[in-house]
Amino acid sequence: AQRVTQPEKLLSVFKGAPVELKCNYSYSGSPELFWYVQYSRQRLQLLLRHISRESIKGFTADLNKGETSFHLKKPFAQEEDSAMYYCAPYGAGGTSYGKLTFGQGTILTVHP
Amino acid sequence: DAGVTQSPTHLIKTRGQQVTLRCSPKSGHDTVSWYQQALGQGPQFIFQYYEEEERQRGNFPDRFSGHQFPNYSSELNVNALLLGDSALYLCASNRPAGTGKETQYFGPGTRLLVL
Repeated sequence: AQRVTQPEKLLSVFKGAPVELKCNYSYSGSPELFWYVQYSRQRLQLLLRHISRESIKGFTADLNKGETSFHLKKPFAQEEDSAMYYCAPYGAGGTSYGKLTFGQGTILTVHP
Repeated sequence: DAGVTQSPTHLIKTRGQQVTLRCSPKSGHDTVSWYQQALGQGPQFIFQYYEEEERQRGNFPDRFSGHQFPNYSSELNVNALLLGDSALYLCASNRPAGTGKETQYFGPGTRLLVL
């Protein structure tokens, strides 16, 4: 069964500090990996998609297929990064096709 | 483009009742997925509609059903409501598969409270 683990429910850092949000997944096949973010009173939106290899708002994520991890990183956190972050593998085939499997999310708080 | 829109924004029902939630996809999108997000949890996939048919389904009972119309909009129906159905229901849409742009875009959600 597909499973996504985000071990930290809450993460607090100070502005300018590096931040890493962890994501480990257990998934059959070769999923595509996404990070979604939800800012206060806003809808869920795409932050990062592995296949694009884009750096959005300074965030990057490296896929480690051996460890089945897709940790999200930013070298210098900003206050506006405070939000809920979800890791979500996307099924690219078979019975998982078209389906996002979300972790429980990590609430990031960046203090001034 | 307003993006994905959902209606209503909030809804209160009692146990045993039936509810219909509505979703209009983003312009250019033909696939609609529905997710349930309980308080403090990540969204859980309910099902996906493409070409007016249910293409994929998550682990939800048959009380949850849906429909997609020729204009790609979609409805989620829940029968015989239970207290545990109280949640935020999210709709997401994406472009046709194979375009390389299958990123799902989410609506603001409908918050359902079952009393």
